[in-house]
Amino acid sequence: DTGVSQDPRHKITKRGQNVTFRCDPISEHNRLYWYRQTLGQGPEFLTYFQNEAQLEKSRLLSDRFSAERPKGSFSTLEIQRTEQGDSAMYLCASRKKWGTHAPGELFFGEGSRLTVL
Amino acid sequence: DQQVKQNSPSLSVQEGRISILNCDYTNSMFDYFLWYKKYPAEGPTFLISISSIKDKNEDGRFTVFLNKSAKHLSLHIVPSQPGDSAVYFCAASATVLEYGNKLVFGAGTILRVKS
Repeated sequence: DTGVSQDPRHKITKRGQNVTFRCDPISEHNRLYWYRQTLGQGPEFLTYFQNEAQLEKSRLLSDRFSAERPKGSFSTLEIQRTEQGDSAMYLCASRKKWGTHAPGELFFGEGSRLTVL
Repeated sequence: DQQVKQNSPSLSVQEGRISILNCDYTNSMFDYFLWYKKYPAEGPTFLISISSIKDKNEDGRFTVFLNKSAKHLSLHIVPSQPGDSAVYFCAASATVLEYGNKLVFGAGTILRVKS
C-alpha cells in the first residue's frame, strides 16, 4: 500500500506564472483533500473531492486556483498568475469515506513547496 | 478566526519525563479531535484521536484528554523519547455535520525531547 504521492516536491516560479501540482492518493481512497500550510501555521483546508466530484471549496481558494480530479484517481491543483502570497506548502491527503480509519484520520503526502519570487 | 489554538509554540522536555501539549477550541460543533505529528520534510501523520463522548483515550505512551466544558484538550506523552521530537498539531472535526472529515488545525507545537 504505497502512500500519497505529490509532484513536484518543490517549485520555484516568478510572480505571474502558472503552476500545477499533482497528487496521487492511496489507491481505493475515494476522498482527496488539498490543504495549504504557511510558515508557523497549521494546514488550512482548501478543497476536497469524493471520487471525481469536488464537494467543498474554502474561501481561501480564490478564482486563480482550480482543482480537478477527472477520473476519481489523481488530482491536480493549478494556480494561475501566482502571487508572492501563494508561497506555501501544498499538502494533499486522502482517505476512504467509510473504512477502518478514525473519523478524522487523513493520510498526507509529503507536500509540494511553492516559492513565488 | 482561529477555531483551534495551540498557544505554546514550543516545548522542551527531558527524555523519560512527561510531555504535555495543550489545545483549545472555540467551535461547539466540533465533536472529534485528533493529534497529528509531523517530522521535517514529511507530511503530518495521524497519532491519536478522541470523540466528544469520551474524556480520555489512551494508546501506548500517548493519552489524549478532553475537557468539553473548558473546550480544551491535551496530549500526554509518557515517557518522552528523543524520537518524539517533532511538530504536533491539534485538529478538530465537526463530523455530525458531515463536513467531509474536513479538519481544522492549530498552528502546532514544536516538541524537543532532550537526551
